[in-house]
Amino acid sequence: DGGITQSPKYLFRKEGQNVTLSCEQNLNHDAMYWYRQDPGQGLRLIYYSQIVNDFQKGDIAEGYSVSREKKESFPLTVTSAQKNPTAFYLCASSMRTGLTDTQYFGPGTRLTVL
Amino acid sequence: QKEVEQNSGPLSVPEGAIASLNCTYSDQGSQSFFWYRQYSGKSPELIMFIYSNGDKEDGRFTAQLNKASQYVSLLIRDSQPSDSATYLCAVGGTSYGKLTFGQGTILTVHP
Repeated sequence: DGGITQSPKYLFRKEGQNVTLSCEQNLNHDAMYWYRQDPGQGLRLIYYSQIVNDFQKGDIAEGYSVSREKKESFPLTVTSAQKNPTAFYLCASSMRTGLTDTQYFGPGTRLTVL
Repeated sequence: QKEVEQNSGPLSVPEGAIASLNCTYSDQGSQSFFWYRQYSGKSPELIMFIYSNGDKEDGRFTAQLNKASQYVSLLIRDSQPSDSATYLCAVGGTSYGKLTFGQGTILTVHP
């Protein structure tokens, strides 16, 4: 059963803690992405990776870190430096379809800071 | 700063009507255009993409692209209550895979 999985579905963090969100895909996609969505807002890109062992900052990378040691996995760490981490976090992966790179999303992780 | 703007909502249409969702973009180099549907509390799911000027139809959905006007739209024919969701427009530029998303338009289809 192919797809993108994210865990956990809900995550609660105390202030000052680092937390890691998991994202795994078995679609054999090369590229993976992390987005953040705040209520009533669109998606903002945090980090993306086109190949293993390489990743680039998106528009709002401050306070976040990632790794891409395997093609299937792209974990996101929300550090204590992220001032307002409460949001819905979405992982995506993409395949090239003709001239386009079509992104597909995982189910998301909802992070709440207590 | 690349921007993607969607028509402000919420948009309310009666069941069976045509819903029209609009999106404008600022980057003239944009090459690919996507529409996603997002139900409340869920992740976005792809409806369709378009990259050539003109219309592209898929069932009850039609995407329309006008690169000269930097405008892309989504028409939903015979709207159903199950179409009630937030619709996200996303635009891809020259950078591999990177998309810029609009803020979304909330659509409500009432019986």
